[in-house]
Amino acid sequence: KQEVTQIPAALSVPEGENLVLNCSFTDSAIYNLQWFRQDPGKGLTSLLLIQSSQREQTSGRLNASLDKSSGRSTLYIAASQPGDSATYLCAGSSGYALNFGKGTSLLVTP
Amino acid sequence: DAGITQSPRHKVTETGTPVTLRCHQTENHRYMYWYRQDPGHGLRLIHYSYGVKDTDKGEVSDGYSVSRSKTEDFLLTLESATSSQTSVYFCAIQPGQGETQYFGPGTRLLVL
Repeated sequence: KQEVTQIPAALSVPEGENLVLNCSFTDSAIYNLQWFRQDPGKGLTSLLLIQSSQREQTSGRLNASLDKSSGRSTLYIAASQPGDSATYLCAGSSGYALNFGKGTSLLVTP
Repeated sequence: DAGITQSPRHKVTETGTPVTLRCHQTENHRYMYWYRQDPGHGLRLIHYSYGVKDTDKGEVSDGYSVSRSKTEDFLLTLESATSSQTSVYFCAIQPGQGETQYFGPGTRLLVL
C-alpha cells in the first residue's frame, strides 16, 4: 500500500512569502500524484496532477514537482496571499484509488 | 467545477439503522469513489466503481456496501450504522484511470 506523508503538519507565514510544502511516498511505482486544497468544512479542490512521466506541473502561482527516485513531491506557492490559507493534501496513486497524506494546514497572515 | 452532488449533506442517525448516501454526477465519468475523512486518519477509500455494476472494495470497506445501476449514480449503504462510522463521506469521480479525481461537497454523518 502506498504510504503518503506530509511535513509540516501546520505552517504559518506572512503574506508575500514564497513557501514549499513537502510530500513523501513509499512506492516508487507511483502512477501519478495529485495536490488538493481543502477549505474548512468543504470538499477537495484539485490543484495539480503530475503523471509519473512528468517532473513538474505549473498553474498560476503554484508549481508542483515529482521525484520518483527519492519518493518526494513538493508544492511551491509563490507570493502567498491570505486567500491561500487552507489545508493542502497530496495523494499518490498506484492504480485506481488515491492514497492521501494527512495534509499541511497553511495560514497566511496579512 | 465538475458536476457532482451528494445527498444528504448532513444526517444524524441512530446505531443499528441502515443509511444510504447518494452520489450523483452529470459528467458521464466512468470511475466513481467513496472515501471517508476522519481526524488523524486523513481520507481513506471505502469502495470504488469502474463501470455500471462493476465495483470493488477499498481499504476500509467493512460495514459498507455500494451499488451502481446507472453511470450517474453511486450509492453507499451502511448496513447497520455504528458510532465508528461517524465521519465525513466524500464521493469522487474520474474520467479515466490516471486522470484527475474531482470531489463532491461531502456528507457529514453522525451516528448516535
